[in-house]
Amino acid sequence: GAVVSQHPSWVICKSGTSVKIECRSLDFQATTMFWYRQFPKQSLMLMATSNEGSKATYEQGVEKDKFLINHASLTLSTLTVTSAHPEDSSFYICSARDRLAGEETQYFGPGTRLLVL
Amino acid sequence: AQSVTQLDSHVSVSEGTPVLLRCNYSSSYSPSLFWYVQHPNKGLQLLLKYTSAATLVKGINGFEAEFKKSETSFHLTKPSAHMSDAAEYFCVVRPITGNQFYFGTGTSLTVIP
Repeated sequence: GAVVSQHPSWVICKSGTSVKIECRSLDFQATTMFWYRQFPKQSLMLMATSNEGSKATYEQGVEKDKFLINHASLTLSTLTVTSAHPEDSSFYICSARDRLAGEETQYFGPGTRLLVL
Repeated sequence: AQSVTQLDSHVSVSEGTPVLLRCNYSSSYSPSLFWYVQHPNKGLQLLLKYTSAATLVKGINGFEAEFKKSETSFHLTKPSAHMSDAAEYFCVVRPITGNQFYFGTGTSLTVIP
């Protein structure tokens, strides 16, 4: 089946630094990718929808200048957490929609665990 | 407004016994409903989905779920648990309009040998 990878799988950084997380669709083209955030014992919360070649659409309450999203190709979207702070520590998961499949079909990456010290 | 409630944060069953993971949803219109499973260090894998066809949906690995509109429920069941079923399970609702998936808080399934 379709595979989505994320890199890195986990990262520890100092407060004030920026961290980039990559999301790749390995064997299909994804015109749309989604970025989620998950706190311990909580639901996955959609942060933004990333469309190839256009600006991302952010959910209410998500700072677009804080969480920069770039979707430059049909197989890669990146999330950059700028000037990270301890409260940004979380589990970030991306998903990708196969452009040849129906809108229902989203494939999820394994997630990236971010710890900001 | 849409929401998903997974009634049990943790379920423990013995190997070979039935599994029941409960999910209730609220949605303004008939939504699409999904169950995903997440094994440690793996991506979320789709188990099954309901998209307004048959109310009893069969998925992979012997799982099935029944959509009950009157009860706004979409419980996940399996007749006989295997050790490999131990994982985190998420119930997800997608409204009829829009892209967003709404996730439940997850149910951790433990299978006892």
